[in-house]
Amino acid sequence: DTGVSQDPRHKITKRGQNVTFRCDPISEHNRLYWYRQTLGQGPEFLTYFQNEAQLEKSRLLSDRFSAERPKGSFSTLEIQRTEQGDSAMYLCASSFFRTRRIENEQFFGPGTRLTVL
Amino acid sequence: AQRVTQPEKLLSVFKGAPVELKCNYSYSGSPELFWYVQYSRQRLQLLLRHISRESIKGFTADLNKGETSFHLKKPFAQEEDSAMYYCALSGLQGAQKLVFGQGTRLTINP
Repeated sequence: DTGVSQDPRHKITKRGQNVTFRCDPISEHNRLYWYRQTLGQGPEFLTYFQNEAQLEKSRLLSDRFSAERPKGSFSTLEIQRTEQGDSAMYLCASSFFRTRRIENEQFFGPGTRLTVL
Repeated sequence: AQRVTQPEKLLSVFKGAPVELKCNYSYSGSPELFWYVQYSRQRLQLLLRHISRESIKGFTADLNKGETSFHLKKPFAQEEDSAMYYCALSGLQGAQKLVFGQGTRLTINP
């Protein structure tokens, strides 16, 4: 499978615990996005990387959230001191961006479903 | 502010009937508009985008800048069209992050 992969697919944790999710983008893609989706809503943007640089973070992303893409390939999203409100599907997407190229097809992974008890 | 509104959470039509999923947006500038679809137990995938002006699986969508709309249409619905549909926008340059609507669940009845 050459698509975007995410691990784990499901995570159940207790309030206050830390969790980390991983995303492996399509290999030649230089941009990687994280979104969060709660029940009955569309995905909401959290942050994105171009290569290893984190270029934007949403105001939705509290200080408890941190994302990295250390070598410009896979990315991790960590949530510290989880709260019940963090329960959601966390989606990763990747795309190939080139200046002046206006196409922007983002390819999504299957998501990681987080449940905080 | 960037916003996408899909006024219908649920839409149910009979097989063979026309389908229209509504999408309105607000954006200061010229956005790029998309329709993404999520079939049962599958990941979110791009259905079509306004700049390509394609018809995918019989679906079309026309960007109406005057009405700030990007409605998705299909003249004859098929059962396999049952899915969750999301309208989304992004800027033409820069971050190109996607702003999604809340989605419309389309059910095609036999």
